[in-house]
Amino acid sequence: QVQLVESGGGLVKPGGSLRLSCAASGFTFSDYYMSWIRQAPGKGLEWVSYISASGGAIYYADSVKGRFTISRDNAKNSLYLQMNSLRAEDTAVYYCARGGRTTFNYWGQGTLVTASS
Amino acid sequence: QSALTQPASVSGSPGQSITISCTGTSSDVGGYNYVSWYQQHPGKAPKLMIYDVSNRPSGVSNRFSGSKSGNTASLTISGLQAEDEADYYCSSYISSSTWVFGGGTKLTVL
Repeated sequence: QVQLVESGGGLVKPGGSLRLSCAASGFTFSDYYMSWIRQAPGKGLEWVSYISASGGAIYYADSVKGRFTISRDNAKNSLYLQMNSLRAEDTAVYYCARGGRTTFNYWGQGTLVTASS
Repeated sequence: QSALTQPASVSGSPGQSITISCTGTSSDVGGYNYVSWYQQHPGKAPKLMIYDVSNRPSGVSNRFSGSKSGNTASLTISGLQAEDEADYYCSSYISSSTWVFGGGTKLTVL
């Protein structure tokens, strides 16, 4: 069965950096687009970024462009999100999701990122 | 890109049907058939319920159905059950190769 397990969340000061990871299993990782989607406490979902199966196509939401970098390692079945210059408004649960070309069909349980002094 | 517009809340009694709307523009909902619906129970990850406007993933009850007319997509849940009480979100692909979600709708089963 498809499993997506996020890690790397935590408390970081504004202006700091954090790297999230997502370990995928139960499917051929290198065949699928992958995405990051976040949810601020008590708020709705916000798409953050997606990367194509080969890594050749990458897109970001305007709110994170220039600060966040998505990447993947198909040999390790892993997805990453490097987050720099973090702001208080980046505080959210970050979900790894399979998809990004037409839909998001599987989601991990999420990892909480808190940007606070 | 502004969020798609959903009602903040809807409610219905067990056995009834409810419909949740998701309104966008010709650049998102109206321009593509890549509209999806997600169910989220408190403290849990979202679960895909409908994709490509009206398709159900394997394992999702046929009580859930989706449709679209112009710039508005809709999710209908028939035969409401207590376990359907959750937050529901729509999403759509946008012409700029990005995605947008709706603000979410809280469904209460009375």
